[in-house]
Formats: sequence, C-alpha cells, structure tokens
Amino acid sequence: DQQVKQNSPSLSVQEGRISILNCDYTNSMFDYFLWYKKYPAEGPTFLISISSIKDKNEDGRFTVFLNKSAKHLSLHIVPSQPGDSAVYFCAATPKGGTASKLTFGTGTRLQVTL
Amino acid sequence: DVKVTQSSRYLVKRTGEKVFLECVQDMDHENMFWYRQDPGLGLRLIYFSYDVKMKEKGDIPEGYSVSREKKERFSLILESASTNQTSMYLCASRGELGNSPLHFGNGTRLTVT
Repeated sequence: DQQVKQNSPSLSVQEGRISILNCDYTNSMFDYFLWYKKYPAEGPTFLISISSIKDKNEDGRFTVFLNKSAKHLSLHIVPSQPGDSAVYFCAATPKGGTASKLTFGTGTRLQVTL
Repeated sequence: DVKVTQSSRYLVKRTGEKVFLECVQDMDHENMFWYRQDPGLGLRLIYFSYDVKMKEKGDIPEGYSVSREKKERFSLILESASTNQTSMYLCASRGELGNSPLHFGNGTRLTVT
C-alpha cells in the first residue's frame, strides 16, 4: 500500500521555466513533509520541508506547497536550471514521528533541457 | 557538514554468500538507517538503530540483519544473498533534534548473481 505517491515518474522542463513536481498521500496522520533530491551515483540530499501548520515554505528557487484537505503537496522550482536535473523524492512522517517513520514516494525524474 | 561514508560503491556477490555493507558517520548521530532503492518502489527502510546495540525492523527486514557495536558505525548483513537483493543500498544518519533531516551516504550498488 503506497501511502506516498508520485504519479509522474518523469518530467521534462525547459531551462528558465517552472518545474512542478507533485506528491499525494493517503495517511491523514502525516504531519511533516520533506523533499529530497538525488543525482545518479549519489545519495539523496535534503532539499526543503514543510510542517502541516503551514501551507507554503520557500527557500530560494524552491517552494513547497501543502494542501492538507486534498492530501497533496507540490514542489515548485523557479527558474529551472540544468543542474536541477535529478530524481526528486517526497517523504512524509506522522506527528511525533522520527525519521524511522519516514515514508518515501517512488520518485520523479526531472530533466531540465537547454 | 555531515559525512556518511559507505565502504563500497559497487559489489558483486554470488547467491548464498554472506555480505557485509558498512557505513560510518562522523557527526555523532544517535540514529542510523539502512534503505534500499529500487526503480518504481522509491526508498524502503530495512532496519534502523537509535543507539549502540539497539536495532529496530523497518518495512522490509526479511533476509537482512544489522549490527551497531559503535555509535559511528552501522553494518547491514545479508546472511545468504539472493538475486532479489540486487539493489542500491543507502545508509543514512540523523540527529535527535526535532525533525532534523536524514543525511545519506552515496550508496552501494549490490549485484547478486
């Protein structure tokens, strides 16, 4: 039972445009959400997170939006750059949970083209 | 910066062999984790440890065991490797503070033939 779903396995965006990566979850106990970025032959690196008490968190070119009623979050990258080409994983954890309770999505491969 | 080091980038083992994957972190983190990454399945937690000599099963512990004799080191053991354990294995560590994120190593690509 996939509690965190990334329905788009891949996404191609032109350099300079906006990239929007989506993530849906089914567990209403999830309270904290994270995005990780992974380059080939490297481990995932933490990108940005959001708590359920917020609906938006911004860090430079990266913004995460959370719609609790729809159980949906999205990662916006503006403007997209070729170095953003990677696999992006969303992850979620319940209230009071630790990283041991982190549930990952299946990932979306983003390709930013020139 | 946190550094999580996995001893091997690539491993090729035969079915039935005992396999050790080693992971060391340099930030004195209490929590360490082993995940595997497979296409279409994302990252799945195998085992984690919240203290020396302590371990907890994750979502897919079958066929694996772990060892944590020192705080900085967390080993994943495949008692008798099988072809369905061919995967990318990722070690991670995390401190105790709130929702501090996981820090991952670069992974070990294991092939079991």
